[in-house]
Amino acid sequence: DTGVSQDPRHKITKRGQNVTFRCDPISEHNRLYWYRQTLGQGPEFLTYFQNEAQLEKSRLLSDRFSAERPKGSFSTLEIQRTEQGDSAMYLCASTTGGGQNNSPLHFGNGTRLTVT
Amino acid sequence: SQKIEQNSEALNIQEGKTATLTCNYTNYSPAYLQWYRQDPGRGPVFLLLIRENEKEKRKERLKVTFDTTLKQSLFHITASQPADSATYLCALDPYNTDKLIFGTGTRLQVFP
Repeated sequence: DTGVSQDPRHKITKRGQNVTFRCDPISEHNRLYWYRQTLGQGPEFLTYFQNEAQLEKSRLLSDRFSAERPKGSFSTLEIQRTEQGDSAMYLCASTTGGGQNNSPLHFGNGTRLTVT
Repeated sequence: SQKIEQNSEALNIQEGKTATLTCNYTNYSPAYLQWYRQDPGRGPVFLLLIRENEKEKRKERLKVTFDTTLKQSLFHITASQPADSATYLCALDPYNTDKLIFGTGTRLQVFP
């Protein structure tokens, strides 16, 4: 399977714990995005990378969230001191190019986080 | 807050009919707009992209229109099938910076 893969698919954690998710993009894609989606809503942009550089982070994103893409390949998203409001589906997507090339996003099937 | 509006109510249609979904946006002048399909528990899957200088785009039973004056895109599925049942999301890049913003999606249910 050469699509975007995310691990784990499901994560249940207690409030206050830290969690880390992993995303493996399509190998030749240099752009990687993280989105968050709650029930009945569309995906909400969190952050994105061009190779290993983090180009933008949503102003809505708490300082408890951090993302890395150390070698320009896989990425991790960490949430520290989780809160119940963090419960959501976390989606990763990848695409080619830079600049205004209009490339569609290829999404993984997400990590569903439940904070109890 | 998102300024891309899609009908939040589910659209229920009979098999064989044409489904029409609406995407309205405000305050943006995007160079293009994209449509995605999302099944429960899965990530969105890209369907079609239409640019600002294109009035219409077709792919098999799918058709998308883009009216930059009305700030609206319509997504049509002709000869709909139960397998078309899913949530359909529109997305645009409001500031042409390769950052897609998504609408809330419209759930389509096609009954046999």
